[in-house]
Amino acid sequence: GAGVSQTPSNKVTEKGKYVELRCDPISGHTALYWYRQSLGQGPEFLIYFQGTGAADDSGLPNDRFFAVRPEGSVSTLKIQRTERGDSAVYLCASSLGGTVNTEAFFGQGTRLTVV
Amino acid sequence: GENVEQHPSTLSVQEGDSAVIKCTYSDSASNYFPWYKQELGKRPQLIIDIRSNVGEKKDQRIAVTLNKTAKHFSLHITETQPEDSAVYFCAASHPGNTPLVFGKGTRLSVIA
Repeated sequence: GAGVSQTPSNKVTEKGKYVELRCDPISGHTALYWYRQSLGQGPEFLIYFQGTGAADDSGLPNDRFFAVRPEGSVSTLKIQRTERGDSAVYLCASSLGGTVNTEAFFGQGTRLTVV
Repeated sequence: GENVEQHPSTLSVQEGDSAVIKCTYSDSASNYFPWYKQELGKRPQLIIDIRSNVGEKKDQRIAVTLNKTAKHFSLHITETQPEDSAVYFCAASHPGNTPLVFGKGTRLSVIA
């Protein structure tokens, strides 16, 4: 079946603009995660959804970042008033959820460049 | 919160030799420890994972060991091949599919 899909794969935007990044998780996966990966670093947690609700948003760096998952499937990460420091690869992952940890499958990421 | 340290940051081995990457974690509540391989420009992919109720797990040339008392776990790759060259990340999480906390990665180069 299809894996985790992220669109767009690349996004170049001007400083101060608003961007939306989309994630389509694997069908049936209730847990969805957003991470940010800078060059030479490991993925850094941003926000985690269990179903439609954000179970943990403690990784969001500030109030310019927001994410939604209105129907418990597709999720959108929204960044307002982008800054050059927001440039990174934004990764989405999904897993089955539940009480037993299961494999988190990653998308190919969206490379965001703020100029 | 959880903190995962990973060493070394770079590792070069000759083809056929073994490679070992080590990680430590800080939170004793963590019970799930996956390892991901990321090739240049690609997504991270799970290669092996271990849960805190076992001390070792092996899958062909790859093995992971876990020492809960010392809060460290290691990845062992035997008979390395050029296609093993990639960045490897360790991670830890609490029960219940909570978010993974990643180490900073190890760039492994296997020299033919």
